[in-house]
Amino acid sequence: GQQVMQIPQYQHVQEGEDFTTYCNSSTTLSNIQWYKQRPGGHPVFLIQLVKSGEVKKQKRLTFQFGEAKKNSSLHITATQTTDVGTYFCAGGKNSGGSNYKLTFGKGTLLTVNP
Amino acid sequence: NAGVMQNPRHLVRRRGQEARLRCSPMKGHSHVYWYRQLPEEGLKFMVYLQKENIIDESGMPKERFSAEFPKEGPSILRIQQVVRGDSAAYFCASSPMAGDYEQYFGPGTRLTVT
Repeated sequence: GQQVMQIPQYQHVQEGEDFTTYCNSSTTLSNIQWYKQRPGGHPVFLIQLVKSGEVKKQKRLTFQFGEAKKNSSLHITATQTTDVGTYFCAGGKNSGGSNYKLTFGKGTLLTVNP
Repeated sequence: NAGVMQNPRHLVRRRGQEARLRCSPMKGHSHVYWYRQLPEEGLKFMVYLQKENIIDESGMPKERFSAEFPKEGPSILRIQQVVRGDSAAYFCASSPMAGDYEQYFGPGTRLTVT
């Protein structure tokens, strides 16, 4: 079945440093979504990428979708303590005409030292 | 504008008992998804339901687990004869339509089986 691998599993940075997490799928995706989960919290939607090669920005966050639609990355510039949490990618694959089924990566836990 | 609601937030059951987890989707959302999350793991898709219909239950164990989304009332995930391995966080998410849409997650139910 479809697998979504995410690296690194953990990342500890000093406040102000940059951070990147990478996501790779074993199959071509119809879309990729990114979620953030704070410790003890629930996943919160950040963004969705649909087009090949797409790049989207949200303030200090930059999201990319690979040309082959099999990989994606999330880059945070100048991390802040509020960025702490686990970042998950979730791949959607067209299954019988519906893209509802998301396969989540295991996530990257980001900790930030103030 | 209430978000996705789940109850109970924490549930403790002894081995062999039944666990009932409830999920009320966001207003106007008729698509519900259930996920299971083990510690330091990503979210595993379990089942996707629309009102009165199970669309995809491919991620749900064949035995002891069942889900429903009746015409009136919340969606319910039922686990019969719980075992220690069922201990996990169970998240419900909803979306207004299926396909390339973000999923809104509830706060989750933390199930502990003693």
